[in-house]
Amino acid sequence: SQQGEEDPQALSIQEGENATMNCSYKTSINNLQWYRQNSGRGLVHLILIRSNEREKHSGRLRVTLDTSKKSSSLLITASRAADTASYFCAPSRGGYNKLIFGAGTRLAVHP
Amino acid sequence: DVKVTQSSRYLVKRTGEKVFLECVQDMDHENMFWYRQDPGLGLRLIYFSYDVKMKEKGDIPEGYSVSREKKERFSLILESASTNQTSMYLCASSISQGVEETQYFGPGTRLLVL
Repeated sequence: SQQGEEDPQALSIQEGENATMNCSYKTSINNLQWYRQNSGRGLVHLILIRSNEREKHSGRLRVTLDTSKKSSSLLITASRAADTASYFCAPSRGGYNKLIFGAGTRLAVHP
Repeated sequence: DVKVTQSSRYLVKRTGEKVFLECVQDMDHENMFWYRQDPGLGLRLIYFSYDVKMKEKGDIPEGYSVSREKKERFSLILESASTNQTSMYLCASSISQGVEETQYFGPGTRLLVL
């Protein structure tokens, strides 16, 4: 198993701005997942990108994956105050391989 | 929708007590996980199970045990609670489906050990 490392640790923006969070990992993967956690709650799965994909969209979310650089980014466009949460990436090799979560990026969106 | 429930949102226990944290999922998932989450440390895997009566140690199993007698239920047991086990505990489940294992999380149990 391997850990994803998110960057930055914290991000503070105004409503309407875009938020970009980055993730790096160390070994080969089958897929990479992004999760969101509202304060004091469980994690919610946002999006999964496979190793043979370079970009994926879901609503206001855009995820990119660069396997040559072992990195991924999550872009939230036109952010809203309700997007305030912590965001975690989780690289996976599939099978029984465990997901290892990093410390996450804490996003604060101010009205 | 997948639903993962945890028996308590908040729990206060005393040092030395035996503590049971219960997790139930309703989607017939094979895999179940227990994590603890502490500020600045992210989520750390305690134990996971990929089938009934099967269990595997995660990264920090010391001081914990688990039980999976039924597919839908995964219990985390603190044999003798200590103050350093004060934490947020998160349960998750996933289906074994090739290489795509999205995990579905419960709401978490915030445990305080006095």
